[in-house]
Amino acid sequence: KAGVTQTPRYLIKTRGQQVTLSCSPISGHRSVSWYQQTPGQGLQFLFEYFSETQRNKGNFPGRFSGRQFSNSRSEMNVSTLELGDSALYLCASSPEAQTNEKLFFGSGTQLSVL
Amino acid sequence: AQSVTQLGSHVSVSEGALVLLRCNYSSSVPPYLFWYVQYPNQGLQLLLKYTSAATLVKGINGFEAEFKKSETSFHLTKPSAHMSDAAEYFCAVTPNSGNTPLVFGKGTRLSVIA
Repeated sequence: KAGVTQTPRYLIKTRGQQVTLSCSPISGHRSVSWYQQTPGQGLQFLFEYFSETQRNKGNFPGRFSGRQFSNSRSEMNVSTLELGDSALYLCASSPEAQTNEKLFFGSGTQLSVL
Repeated sequence: AQSVTQLGSHVSVSEGALVLLRCNYSSSVPPYLFWYVQYPNQGLQLLLKYTSAATLVKGINGFEAEFKKSETSFHLTKPSAHMSDAAEYFCAVTPNSGNTPLVFGKGTRLSVIA
């Protein structure tokens, strides 16, 4: 069974641009969560989607948004990029039930904002 | 609200020595606790989890952790370190097994010296 796939693996953008990251969950998983990982702040929860609906949202500005498609694939978008948005963005998927006990992470997208 | 404190951002041990990574949590309700490992350029992999069953939890790769309510701790141990254990380790807490997001500690980088 394929794991969680995140594309692209690396991205370089400049301030003010926008970026879209993609996450394909494990087959059959309907929940997708996004986390931001930085050296200073560690891992911080961005949002979670289940059946195309956002169930939870972390404490991030409105520049960060996401969506989930009917095939459970998810995208997150960051508009008007700032230097502080440079981070590893991790996606995790889980089955319908017991979300936290069965959380599988992708390898992440490393975003660098110049 | 839940929080996690990992004591020591960097721990160094000799190959064959005991590994002890410390995690203290704060939770207003009985917690669910997790340890994840992250190898370079990879996502997070679940090592073990405490979900209110046995207080001594055994995980993969010879790791185990003991839940101590009186000390609000969930320290990770391994009797004998291997070079392949060098990675970053994250402790996480959540109040339930459902979709309440995980709160992660800042991580502890483990180095193993030959």
